[in-house]
Amino acid sequence: DAKTTQPTSMDCAEGRAANLPCNHSTISGNEYVYWYRQIHSQGPQYIIHGLKNNETNEMASLIITEDRKSSTLILPHATLRDTAVYYCIAPSDQTGANNLFFGTGTRLTVIP
Amino acid sequence: ETGVTQSPTHLIKTRGQQVTLRCSSQSGHNTVSWYQQALGQGPQFIFQYYREEENGRGNFPPRFSGLQFPNYSSELNVNALELDDSALYLCASSLEKGIDTEAFFGQGTRLTVV
Repeated sequence: DAKTTQPTSMDCAEGRAANLPCNHSTISGNEYVYWYRQIHSQGPQYIIHGLKNNETNEMASLIITEDRKSSTLILPHATLRDTAVYYCIAPSDQTGANNLFFGTGTRLTVIP
Repeated sequence: ETGVTQSPTHLIKTRGQQVTLRCSSQSGHNTVSWYQQALGQGPQFIFQYYREEENGRGNFPPRFSGLQFPNYSSELNVNALELDDSALYLCASSLEKGIDTEAFFGQGTRLTVV
């Protein structure tokens, strides 16, 4: 897996956009960027993934820089239920997308 | 479609005992991975099964073993339990073992070794 670096923690006001950065400068051309989150005491939840282009789904948007060395997960209108640990992962194309190195992630706290 | 289900939800075992944890994968998913999550840490990959064969293993000793059945459900077995094996054990299934697919996690089994 490509090494990823994320801030340890972030705060976001409820209703505002939460922008979570991730550096993955050693990512190779075939490796996707995945985002998962884990709400306390629950299993991780898939959010979104992408290779080169920006992606959007009902949960979030993923912005990947042109050189693919970093990305940003955007939660457009954060709610208290978005408080969780967010993991940015770039699994190896040799080992696949269900062989994940989670690291320490970013603890996002949404403040009322 | 049903999600990933794990059983039991909680378990207490004594050091030296053996334990079996079970996972039913999401319908149609042929790939199952197991993870161990110690308190305050991120999940750590134990191993993966694809179509009943082990397809990758993390840095865990041989006393951690597994099985995948023809219906793609899976078991994690841990022998000679140690106190440090106390953790949340997570199962995740995916449609394939490739790179462009998401993993769906169960809620985990909380194992306490005393």
